Amino acid sequence: DTAVSQTPKYLVTQMGNDKSIKCEQNLGHDTMYWYKQDSKKFLKIMFSYNNKELIINETVPNRFSPKSPDKAHLNLHINSLELGDSAVYFCASRFGGNTEAFFGQGTRLTVV
Amino acid sequence: GDSVTQMEGPVTLSEEAFLTINCTYTATGYPSLFWYVQYPGEGLQLLLKATKADDKGSNKGFEATYRKETTSFHLEKGSVQVSDSAVYFCALSQNNAGNMLTFGGGTRLMVKP
Repeated sequence: DTAVSQTPKYLVTQMGNDKSIKCEQNLGHDTMYWYKQDSKKFLKIMFSYNNKELIINETVPNRFSPKSPDKAHLNLHINSLELGDSAVYFCASRFGGNTEAFFGQGTRLTVV
Repeated sequence: GDSVTQMEGPVTLSEEAFLTINCTYTATGYPSLFWYVQYPGEGLQLLLKATKADDKGSNKGFEATYRKETTSFHLEKGSVQVSDSAVYFCALSQNNAGNMLTFGGGTRLMVKP
């Protein structure tokens, strides 16, 4: 069983479209994250959810919106996609504190 | 805010060479420190961690010691293999519920036969 699963793995779409990336974890973790990895491999935190409440919201455009229907899911919805949104997006989860985070396989988003 | 700095790559080594990847951090208090590895086309996997000063994390022949006095967590391996070729990330996390992992910029390691 995959601990943290993301779908889709690849997403190619045109500028201006709206898309969603889904993330599910079966580890019982209470904190989930979305990270963006650019072409130089730099990882930037986008959102953090703890017990269904947004507790960290970095300075990302408001075109990006996280949605958490329950503790096991944190989906990422993106409106009006732009070329600069092309990147690999990673979902992760953990219990918090000094525990390790488990990462999904990533979603490679390409905006054309 | 918290930050992590690690040496830029790529680091290119021959098989069986000794590896060091430097990592230093800036943070308040006593964060936990981690090394993650990313193989091509995959997500990040925990390699090792240390949660307090002087702790040594180790896994798969890799080691790193939490040095509070030098705010460092350097990754070492005595003899690298071709299969160790990957991108390595140093990260820290404050010990509060929900706190994010702050990552360094990553270091690509290439091991040649």
